[in-house]
Amino acid sequence: QLHLQESGPGLVKPSETLSLTCAVSGGSISSNSHYWAWIRQPPGKGLEWISSVHYSGTTYYNPSLKSRVTMSVDTSKNQFSLMLRSVTAADTAVYYCARDYGEHRTDYWGQGTLVTASS
Amino acid sequence: DMQMTQSPSSLSASVGDRVTITCRASQSSSFSLNWYQQKPGTAPKLLITSTSSLQSGVPSRFSGSGSGTEFTLTITHLQPEDFATYHCQQHYAFGQGTKVEIK
Repeated sequence: QLHLQESGPGLVKPSETLSLTCAVSGGSISSNSHYWAWIRQPPGKGLEWISSVHYSGTTYYNPSLKSRVTMSVDTSKNQFSLMLRSVTAADTAVYYCARDYGEHRTDYWGQGTLVTASS
Repeated sequence: DMQMTQSPSSLSASVGDRVTITCRASQSSSFSLNWYQQKPGTAPKLLITSTSSLQSGVPSRFSGSGSGTEFTLTITHLQPEDFATYHCQQHYAFGQGTKVEIK
């Protein structure tokens, strides 16, 4: 059974960079058939797709966040990462990592981690 | 940019009711139209892909339909475990969610 686990700081200061990692277990991140995604949900609001990455390095970004986002994959550690630059209070959200098996269909999700952007 | 608009944003229903949720896309797309169920404090669960294909293990009381820019999620014979928030998604865009509450 595939398992995804997010990790990273729960508090980030405004203007700084949010960095999260998703560790994948029970399966290989080096799958040709899958992308690996980050999705967030501000408290009490809807879901927002951030970006997704293939182990080959191909990435897709939500156009609204593209200028501030970088995703990467570490196949040796079976994990992938998100960096979101210049955060503001509007970036406060539960951040989920997930497996995308094509066309942004996400069938496995991590439990989510709350990141608060505040001084 | 692609945008998805769900209606209603919330609804109250009773066990055994039939519930319909609508999702409208701002533009037609070839990407899969997906539906997720989310319960409080948990990650979303993928229910339906490609407009009408149920994921393995999803009860047959859930169904999806639609085409072009208008899509529908229907739950027949609502069960207690179905009270949750439902999200539609196409490409990188999610709807704002529809909360199904107990009447």
